[in-house]
Amino acid sequence: AQRVTQPEKLLSVFKGAPVELKCNYSYSGSPELFWYVQYSRQRLQLLLRHISRESIKGFTADLNKGETSFHLKKPFAQEEDSAMYYCALSAGTDKLIFGTGTRLQVFP
Amino acid sequence: DVKVTQSSRYLVKRTGEKVFLECVQDMDHENMFWYRQDPGLGLRLIYFSYDVKMKEKGDIPEGYSVSREKKERFSLILESASTNQTSMYLCASSFRGERRGYTFGSGTRLTVV
Repeated sequence: AQRVTQPEKLLSVFKGAPVELKCNYSYSGSPELFWYVQYSRQRLQLLLRHISRESIKGFTADLNKGETSFHLKKPFAQEEDSAMYYCALSAGTDKLIFGTGTRLQVFP
Repeated sequence: DVKVTQSSRYLVKRTGEKVFLECVQDMDHENMFWYRQDPGLGLRLIYFSYDVKMKEKGDIPEGYSVSREKKERFSLILESASTNQTSMYLCASSFRGERRGYTFGSGTRLTVV
């Protein structure tokens, strides 16, 4: 079955520290992966897609098919990065399968 | 420039009531989705619709139904609300077959007492 696993419910770092939010998926085909972010009192919004290979707000994510991972990284965390982050998988359909989310707290 | 609008931000309903959650999008998207968001469980798909009058069950459809009479509007119906349906409900939409991801509404927090 297709599944997305985010093993950390909460990740706490200090400002300026590197950040890595983990995401693993299970799908035997060619996946399409996304990261969504939800800031406090705001709607869920797309952060980035693996297919575009872009960097948004300093975040990057690389698809590793061998490890079935799509970890989200940022070299230097900022306080405004504090939010809920969801990894999502499109397994050959228009439906997205979401992980359980990781709350990132960045302390000053 | 709000593109996916959910009619209510907060709702409080009594057990057994029939509840309607409305979602409207103005992007001409074919697909529309209803998720519920619960702490520790992430987002779980209730129903989705890929065209007018077309619907497909998601992972947790029990206790819910949907209606899509017009392309821009997708309604979620709780036939007889129960306390375990207290949750945040998110509507989303997307173009069919396009991998740009979803556009989400701001959510409706439903409390069933």
